[in-house]
Amino acid sequence: GENVEQHPSTLSVQEGDSAVIKCTYSDSASNYFPWYKQELGKGPQLIIDIRSNVGEKKDQRIAVTLNKTAKHFSLHITETQPEDSAVYFCAASRLTGGGNKLTFGTGTQLKVEL
Amino acid sequence: SQTIHQWPATLVQPVGSPLSLECTVEGTSNPNLYWYRQAAGRGLQLLFYSVGIGQISSEVPQNLSASRPQDRQFILSSKKLLLSDSGFYLCAWSVPRRAKNIQYFGAGTRLSVL
Repeated sequence: GENVEQHPSTLSVQEGDSAVIKCTYSDSASNYFPWYKQELGKGPQLIIDIRSNVGEKKDQRIAVTLNKTAKHFSLHITETQPEDSAVYFCAASRLTGGGNKLTFGTGTQLKVEL
Repeated sequence: SQTIHQWPATLVQPVGSPLSLECTVEGTSNPNLYWYRQAAGRGLQLLFYSVGIGQISSEVPQNLSASRPQDRQFILSSKKLLLSDSGFYLCAWSVPRRAKNIQYFGAGTRLSVL
């Protein structure tokens, strides 16, 4: 089955700096890669996703890059703000008809310091 | 709009007692449904998923079971809780057969087994 590794487990940045979180996956058939943000005591929420036919996607201060050859993808947050502090999860999936399971990474605790 | 309800928010149960966590989805039909467990400092582990009424797939052998008695109702159960069942349980749903596998999470149940 799919295995997703995520690094780092914790990341502390100064407000205004950039943050980068990296993930690798093992199943070359995976073709959908979402990123979720989980605030304390809440369920994760999708913040950005990318499909395997695209190398990069941006949404305001957030971007995701995908390298299919190397089987890794990254989340980039620019101009970080205190409200960006949360746990971030990457995930990988095959877009098949049944189940549509996501395999999640172990999470990155991001802390944005003033 | 679609909403997902999960209860209770917190639960403290003695070892050996039964468990029933309920999840319901509103505003959609025939969703894929998922139960995850999140242990402290770790990622999201998929426990069960369902593509229809009475159809349950188990991802990991464990002390828990799941049922889907109605289209938009997903229940996580145990006959006898173990200490190791403590954790944060999340229910999620997704629209089947879509180009993206976006999963929408509930607010979670914090279970402490003492």
